[in-house]
Amino acid sequence: DAGITQSPRHKVTETGTPVTLRCHQTENHRYMYWYRQDPGHGLRLIHYSYGVKDTDKGEVSDGYSVSRSKTEDFLLTLESATSSQTSVYFCAISEGGGSYEQYFGPGTRLTVT
Amino acid sequence: AQKVTQAQTEISVVEKEDVTLDCVYETRDTTYYLFWYKQPPSGELVFLIRRNSFDEQNEISGRYSWNFQKSTSSFNFTITASQVVDSAVYFCALSDGMDTGRRALTFGSGTRLQVQP
Repeated sequence: DAGITQSPRHKVTETGTPVTLRCHQTENHRYMYWYRQDPGHGLRLIHYSYGVKDTDKGEVSDGYSVSRSKTEDFLLTLESATSSQTSVYFCAISEGGGSYEQYFGPGTRLTVT
Repeated sequence: AQKVTQAQTEISVVEKEDVTLDCVYETRDTTYYLFWYKQPPSGELVFLIRRNSFDEQNEISGRYSWNFQKSTSSFNFTITASQVVDSAVYFCALSDGMDTGRRALTFGSGTRLQVQP
């Protein structure tokens, strides 16, 4: 199994507070992704990174920002959490080169009250 | 824009039955990858298979088989002799084109498979 951890695994927060989710990998993979999973929508891409300090937006990036200062860490920040951001967040990594498959972390369940 | 459709929201079968999960995709890219992932009740996402758009050969792995037909933009997944442990949500996914730099996946909404003993 790919070495991917996410923290925290569960979080309850109030509307308007900032929240940061962390993804940590030990595989030295170049690509990292943040997805959110909601019923009826599968997984949707929030942001991704193609290298240290290289990030870009996905389809549902509004209200989220990311940072990647080291290969192994990819942070997702909700600047001011809203109830619509209640979701399960998955981090994924991909090696790059000829390898397109993504390996996922265990997920973070975020509830915004 | 890319799209993946899994029209079957939920399927229920009895153990030992065969079951096919359908996946239809839309893309303007000429080179891409298709994937299946399994999400068991515990919640993790497990990679099952990758198929590239050049290769239309069917693939079999134990009780699992995959049928890729580029002409109909379909990538269906069959479980033979289903078992209770196959109960999960299964996601089909489509990669960005191989000539783009993004390498993100577009997922279908998933099919929940329940295998009854």
